[in-house]
Amino acid sequence: GENVEQHPSTLSVQEGDSAVIKCTYSDSASNYFPWYKQELGKRPQLIIDIRSNVGEKKDQRIAVTLNKTAKHFSLHITETQPEDSAVYFCAASGLVSNSGYALNFGKGTSLLVTP
Amino acid sequence: EAQVTQNPRYLITVTGKKLTVTCSQNMNHEYMSWYRQDPGLGLRQIYYSMNVEVTDKGDVPEGYKVSRKEKRNFPLILESPSPNQTSLYFCASSFRRNNEKLFFGSGTQLSVL
Repeated sequence: GENVEQHPSTLSVQEGDSAVIKCTYSDSASNYFPWYKQELGKRPQLIIDIRSNVGEKKDQRIAVTLNKTAKHFSLHITETQPEDSAVYFCAASGLVSNSGYALNFGKGTSLLVTP
Repeated sequence: EAQVTQNPRYLITVTGKKLTVTCSQNMNHEYMSWYRQDPGLGLRQIYYSMNVEVTDKGDVPEGYKVSRKEKRNFPLILESPSPNQTSLYFCASSFRRNNEKLFFGSGTQLSVL
């Protein structure tokens, strides 16, 4: 099945700096790559996603890039703020049966933005 | 308001006592799934359902059962809970089979003593 690796597991940046989280996946048939943000004690919430036919997508201070050839994708957060502090998960969605899909998650990156 | 509702939020039980965690969504989504979240392991899929009466195993199905008798409901059943099932559980739903825009419930923290 699909294996998603995420790095780093922890990341500490100063307010205003950029943060980059990287993920690799193993199944070349995976076609959808979301990023989720989970604040302490809360549910994961989708912050940005990208499909396999797109190389880059941006939404205000966050962007995701996808390199299908290398099978890796990255989350970029610019001008970080303390409220960006959370755990971020990447995921890859691929076919696991005749008609079923599975969303496989990375193990998460704990981002701390210090004032 | 679009939502996925899980109950209960917190549950403490003892080994072997059957329990059910309920999940309901009001978005008319066909696709629903259950995940467990453990420290250092991220989110792992337990079961998923593509429609009424259609369910399949995820990565960690052992010790769990599900049913999908109605489109909006997808309960998770632990017939004989064990301490290794102590975890944070999330129900989720999506309008597409490939899990686009997967929407999570608020979670159920289960402790099995």
